[in-house]
Amino acid sequence: AQSVTQPDIHITVSEGASLELRCNYSYGATPYLFWYVQSPGQGLQLLLKYFSGDTLVQGIKGFEAEFKRSQSSFNLRKPSVHWSDAAEYFCAVGPSGSARQLTFGSGTQLTVLP
Amino acid sequence: GAVVSQHPSRVICKSGTSVKIECRSLDFQATTMFWYRQFPKKSLMLMATSNEGSKATYEQGVEKDKFLINHASLTLSTLTVTSAHPEDSSFYICRGGREGGEAFFGQGTRLTVV
Repeated sequence: AQSVTQPDIHITVSEGASLELRCNYSYGATPYLFWYVQSPGQGLQLLLKYFSGDTLVQGIKGFEAEFKRSQSSFNLRKPSVHWSDAAEYFCAVGPSGSARQLTFGSGTQLTVLP
Repeated sequence: GAVVSQHPSRVICKSGTSVKIECRSLDFQATTMFWYRQFPKKSLMLMATSNEGSKATYEQGVEKDKFLINHASLTLSTLTVTSAHPEDSSFYICRGGREGGEAFFGQGTRLTVV
């Protein structure tokens, strides 16, 4: 069975500081990996995704993530956080062919201090 | 990217009444629609998967008679919460996609049952 673990429930960083959100997955085959961001009361916005190829994936809003098969990880990073990045972040894993069921992590709440 | 439009964004209803939530794929044909429920501070829980023209497949523990899903066309899927109770208050999100392609989230519906 596939699963996703986001070990950090809540992270607080200062504006301008770097950020790394952790994501570990368990999946029997080559996974399709996603990061989504959710602002309060809003739906989910796709930040980036990994299907194959280059293991360092660039996304929107200056985010990137690196797929490390040996560590079963897909951590999200941003070199300099902006106050508008405060939100909930979800990592997800799914089978090939994206119109399929995704398994979501429990989410990481990001607070940005001025 | 493709757009899934979900309405209403917020709804308040009285206990015992029914509420219908619509998700429309605006510029593609969604052969599959996933319906999720999200509790406060929690991740997304898949409720059911519907394919156009066939009955929805419900996840274990989800009452199919309470959460009626209709996917009568390739551009419209609806979730009806019947005889709503306060414990049905939640954030409901749809995600629509086409076979072999990507899937996209709606904006979500905040349901409050009073």
